[in-house]
Amino acid sequence: DTGVSQDPRHKITKRGQNVTFRCDPISEHNRLYWYRQTLGQGPEFLTYFQNEAQLEKSRLLSDRFSAERPKGSFSTLEIQRTEQGDSAMYLCASSSLKTGSSYEQYFGPGTRLTVT
Amino acid sequence: DAKTTQPPSMDCAEGRAANLPCNHSTISGNEYVYWYRQIHSQGPQYIIHGLKNNETNEMASLIITEDRKSSTLILPHATLRDTAVYYCIVRVRGTNAGKSTFGDGTTLTVKP
Repeated sequence: DTGVSQDPRHKITKRGQNVTFRCDPISEHNRLYWYRQTLGQGPEFLTYFQNEAQLEKSRLLSDRFSAERPKGSFSTLEIQRTEQGDSAMYLCASSSLKTGSSYEQYFGPGTRLTVT
Repeated sequence: DAKTTQPPSMDCAEGRAANLPCNHSTISGNEYVYWYRQIHSQGPQYIIHGLKNNETNEMASLIITEDRKSSTLILPHATLRDTAVYYCIVRVRGTNAGKSTFGDGTTLTVKP
């Protein structure tokens, strides 16, 4: 079990460009979550998946944001036409719903996005 | 999810116990108390959780008041590596669990 991984770890982009982040959850974890964290604040929920189904989206997830988990394994988060306000750490977490599992959310190291 | 209130910052001497308080006065009967910590530039790390009984693991102890309106995370012998932001959250557990709602946490600074 290698934990939740995220790629890239850092991304610098110019305003108006599109960016895509990837999250690989812990193997066989059913749920996958995306959070955003700005400096000095706690993580804010964006969306989560159960297998390939997107079950909830935050109002923070504007039309420029889209998340997918096509095969119920890894997930991608795309931001179109980036704005300076999108600069943040994007965190991914996963959890298991299997009976007997711990149910806790395990977080990845995050992708730090800087929009110039 | 219920909201939590934590002091913004605390200091602790190395080797001493660190006691981090959290208020969750609107917690529902089926909500658990969870604690995470986040070391600079890393993702949050799960520490411990509890429903109503006190809990202990290799990282920390969790004391929940009888009315469940507040709790305390105890790091029995704080080290410099325990310097981090500590988040207290409340959420349901199991198959009905969804997102976690984080506040701004408590920044714990362990000093030599």
